[in-house]
Amino acid sequence: NAGVMQNPRHLVRRRGQEARLRCSPMKGHSHVYWYRQLPEEGLKFMVYLQKENIIDESGMPKERFSAEFPKEGPSILRIQQVVRGDSAAYFCASSIGTSGGPDTQYFGPGTRLTVL
Amino acid sequence: RKEVEQDPGPFNVPEGATVAFNCTYSNSASQSFFWYRQDCRKEPKLLMSVYSSGNEDGRFTAQLNRASQYISLLIRDSKLSDSATYLCVVNRYNNNDMRFGAGTRLTVKP
Repeated sequence: NAGVMQNPRHLVRRRGQEARLRCSPMKGHSHVYWYRQLPEEGLKFMVYLQKENIIDESGMPKERFSAEFPKEGPSILRIQQVVRGDSAAYFCASSIGTSGGPDTQYFGPGTRLTVL
Repeated sequence: RKEVEQDPGPFNVPEGATVAFNCTYSNSASQSFFWYRQDCRKEPKLLMSVYSSGNEDGRFTAQLNRASQYISLLIRDSKLSDSATYLCVVNRYNNNDMRFGAGTRLTVKP
């Protein structure tokens, strides 16, 4: 059973370009979470999605960032017009989605975005 | 004030030592608590959940004090392989909305 997969593992963009980060959850998992980690800092929650629904996007910057988790295919975190401050590791996690309590979240290896 | 606060360390301890980390959280409605481990440039991995009655997993003991809103992790008989950053994680409202501390860095030396 493959774990959470993220690609690309490393992404280099110039200022003003778009970055697309992909996350395939573990088999059987229907919940996806995106986190950002700046160097020497902790993980910051960005967004929580289920298939075709955004459950909580309270951690997403108001502009340039968007996320989706379509019925088919991976979850996508999209950053438009990247700036140097977007350089970070972006981790995706997935969980099975049970009622009545929190799930264990399993993390992917992350995408390291560098903005030149 | 950060929602989850940890002493960043670093903690440098010799092999075999016992080391303890604390974490405080600000949201009294928080329901679930976890410790994750993150190795350098790797993804976080669940170390253990923290239960109200306290729980132990081998050399690791986790405790929760709801009244004071803090969580602790005790590592006994430290191994070189325990060197990592330990992340305190709080789940708000029991709804998969996790908040991570910035982590405490541990280095175990021979």
